[in-house]
Amino acid sequence: AQTVTQSQPEMSVQEAETVTLSCTYDTSESDYYLFWYKQPPSRQMILVIRQEAYKQQNATENRFSVNFQKAAKSFSLKISDSQLGDAAMYFCAYRSGGSGTYKYIFGTGTRLKVLA
Amino acid sequence: GAVVSQHPSWVICKSGTSVKIECRSLDFQATTMFWYRQFPKQSLMLMATSNEGSKATYEQGVEKDKFLINHASLTLSTLTVTSAHPEDSSFYICSARDGRATEAFFGQGTRLTVV
Repeated sequence: AQTVTQSQPEMSVQEAETVTLSCTYDTSESDYYLFWYKQPPSRQMILVIRQEAYKQQNATENRFSVNFQKAAKSFSLKISDSQLGDAAMYFCAYRSGGSGTYKYIFGTGTRLKVLA
Repeated sequence: GAVVSQHPSWVICKSGTSVKIECRSLDFQATTMFWYRQFPKQSLMLMATSNEGSKATYEQGVEKDKFLINHASLTLSTLTVTSAHPEDSSFYICSARDGRATEAFFGQGTRLTVV
């Protein structure tokens, strides 16, 4: 069975600084997707970034980028130039790549605090 | 992007009554919808996978008779919590699959409080 582990329950970052959130996963599959979701106080899940396992290039979305280490099964999220609006819970998620399988497995989350 | 709407956003019900939560895909057809439960400061736990026109697939440990899921159309799935008890109080989130997209899209969630 697949598992997703986020070892940092809480992180803090100074506004405008950079922070990295860690995520490791375990799977025997070769085809899968990884995601980072943000959950602000409103509880709405917002997709931050996604990575296809077959792509070697790390995904980037503006200030957000990932460090995808497939062999190490690591998928960290880097947030550059942190803003107050980045404060939220961040969940790492895994999804099998097989057709018809859209079941997500979520990590336990990391609460990010942004200090003014 | 694709929009998933959940209703109601919050609901309070008396112990022993049933409550229905709706999940709608507003601008796409969702062949598959998912229902999650999230306890305070915890992660999302998948309860069941709902496929249009067929019975839902429940995760281990989830009571099928308590959490009734219906996916009667390509844009609507409902979760009914039957004979609710205070321990059923939680945050329930649905997500829907747009067949063209890699990721699923999430509703805004429903906070259920059973008193």
